[in-house]
Formats: sequence, C-alpha cells, structure tokens
Amino acid sequence: SQTIHQWPATLVQPVGSPLSLECTVEGTSNPNLYWYRQAAGRGLQLLFYSVGIGQISSEVPQNLSASRPQDRQFILSSKKLLLSDSGFYLCAWRDRVRLGYTFGSGTRLTVV
Amino acid sequence: AQSVSQHNHHVILSEAASLELGCNYSYGGTVNLFWYVQYPGQHLQLLLKYFSGDPLVKGIKGFEAEFIKSKFSFNLRKPSVQWSDTAEYFCAVNRTGNQFYFGTGTSLTVIP
Repeated sequence: SQTIHQWPATLVQPVGSPLSLECTVEGTSNPNLYWYRQAAGRGLQLLFYSVGIGQISSEVPQNLSASRPQDRQFILSSKKLLLSDSGFYLCAWRDRVRLGYTFGSGTRLTVV
Repeated sequence: AQSVSQHNHHVILSEAASLELGCNYSYGGTVNLFWYVQYPGQHLQLLLKYFSGDPLVKGIKGFEAEFIKSKFSFNLRKPSVQWSDTAEYFCAVNRTGNQFYFGTGTSLTVIP
C-alpha cells in the first residue's frame, strides 16, 4: 500500500533561519508530488508540484523553494524564513486511479 | 477569480443531529468535486468525490454530497453525526490538469 511520510510535525524557527521540510512516498513510482500551505483563515494553497525528478513547478512567487532529488522524495526549503512563512504545510501525492490526493500529516511551522 | 467557498468556518453539533456543510465554487465548465476530511492528528483523507453521473454521491462513514450544477454547489450531508465525526472538512474542485483548489475548511465539533 502507498504511504506518505512528512516530518517534522511541528517546527518553531526564528526569522532569518533556514528551513527544510522533507516528504517521502512509499509504494508507488513516479508519483506527482505537491507542497501545499494552509495559512490561518485561508484555504490550502498550492506552492509547488513535481511530475518527476528535478522537475519543479512553482505556483506562487515566494520565499520558498522545492527540490526533488529522488523519485519519491520532495523537499521544501527556504534560505531565510519570514514571519509570513508561518502556516501548516502539507505534502501530497496524486492518485491517478482515484484522481484524489493523499496527504502527509502536515508540518505546523511557526516563525518567531 | 476562481474560488471555492465554504461558508461555515466552525460548526458545533450534538450527537445525532443532522449535518450539512456548504461548498460553492466559481468555475464554469466541467469540474470534479471532492470532500476531504482531516481527523485530529491524522492525514487528510478523501471522503467522497463526484466526476459525473448521479449528482448524489455517497461516501464513507455515512456521508453524502449533492452536486447542484445550477447553483455551483456541492454540499456535504450526514443524517446523524457521531462524536467521531469531529474533524476538519475541506471541499475541493479540480479542473483539467493537476491543479486542485480547496476551500478554507470547516471545523466540525460534535458534542457527545
């Protein structure tokens, strides 16, 4: 069965510090992978998606970047965090059969 | 602008009460519609989906949703809620391609 792992679950970081959130998928190959963010009071916003190794599409300009060094690994990064980067970050992969998403458990990031 | 609206941000019900969560979207043309649920401490899960056919869709755990094209709505219903239904519910819309658009979510609290 397919599983998705995302860590850490919670993170408190100071402004200006770097960020690295990791997501890995098991039980599937060549998945489409996604990073979403839910800011307070807003809907889930697509940040990045990837259809393959090294292929990253960015949906919104921002302080974040993403990388896909391996088929089932998707990393969200920042060189210098801003207060506005606080939020709930979700990694997901797309199920081509059900046409729905499977999400990781999320990371609650608080930038202080 | 394209959007998905969930008008109820926080709903509190007693057990056995009936539930209806509103979802409206602003896209024209053919859409796929979804309801996701996130139980406390768990991943987002697909609750039900609509692609075509019978506009009344039945999902897991006794939930159903009705697609009303003329009203651009896809409301979620359950005749009798249980304490275990306490969760956050997200409506989502998908058009062609990979992009999903999510509502802001509705937090449901069921009081025993």
